Amino acid sequence: DTEVTQTPKHLVMGMTNKKSLKCEQHMGHRAMYWYKQKAKKPPELMFVYSYEKLSINESVPSRFSPECPNSSLLNLHLHALQPEDSALYLCASSQDKGLVLTFGAGSRLTVL
Amino acid sequence: AQSVTQLDSQVPVFEEAPVELRCNYSSSVSVYLFWYVQYPNQGLQLLLKYLSGSTLVESINGFEAEFNKSQTSFHLRKPSVHISDTAEYFCAVKGYSSASKIIFGSGTRLSIRP
Repeated sequence: DTEVTQTPKHLVMGMTNKKSLKCEQHMGHRAMYWYKQKAKKPPELMFVYSYEKLSINESVPSRFSPECPNSSLLNLHLHALQPEDSALYLCASSQDKGLVLTFGAGSRLTVL
Repeated sequence: AQSVTQLDSQVPVFEEAPVELRCNYSSSVSVYLFWYVQYPNQGLQLLLKYLSGSTLVESINGFEAEFNKSQTSFHLRKPSVHISDTAEYFCAVKGYSSASKIIFGSGTRLSIRP
């Protein structure tokens, strides 16, 4: 299994809603990542988990809350988002050294 | 710190024509180099990578890139493109340190005309 699976593919939420994005991989990768990608832009790193511990937080607002329940799962909890948070959210994983990222297809988020 | 510059935001070419997507990087340390491709409505996929050894690296679908240390470049080429190559292409760089993050360029949109 060489895939990273993200759910849901599309999500529309209001600014007062609480929702979560989910990511799963079964490649035995020990590092998992959340990226945010706006239209026609490169992915921007948000969070990195290494061995289920948060190792990098790129000064992301607290309305985004990551969680790594186990080595195969990565969640991104969303609360009180703003319309400018609308974007494609990409999950990725890599083996220890993080040389090669395997990306999921993304969750397209629209905040109304 | 590293940085990546993709000079061309868009490259239109005719089907079966050759193409080159340019990538230059800046770094004070040795780096690994990558090209990722993003097809419409999908995530990124690794196209090819330079880690060490031969400076010319190839992908399974006919793309190749050459690491040129003196010119700090890692241009992507294909001798004959197909409609299915229409996508966004991102060059990326990562320092040798395990703490170094992957830095993406701004991307080049390759559009193929029939």
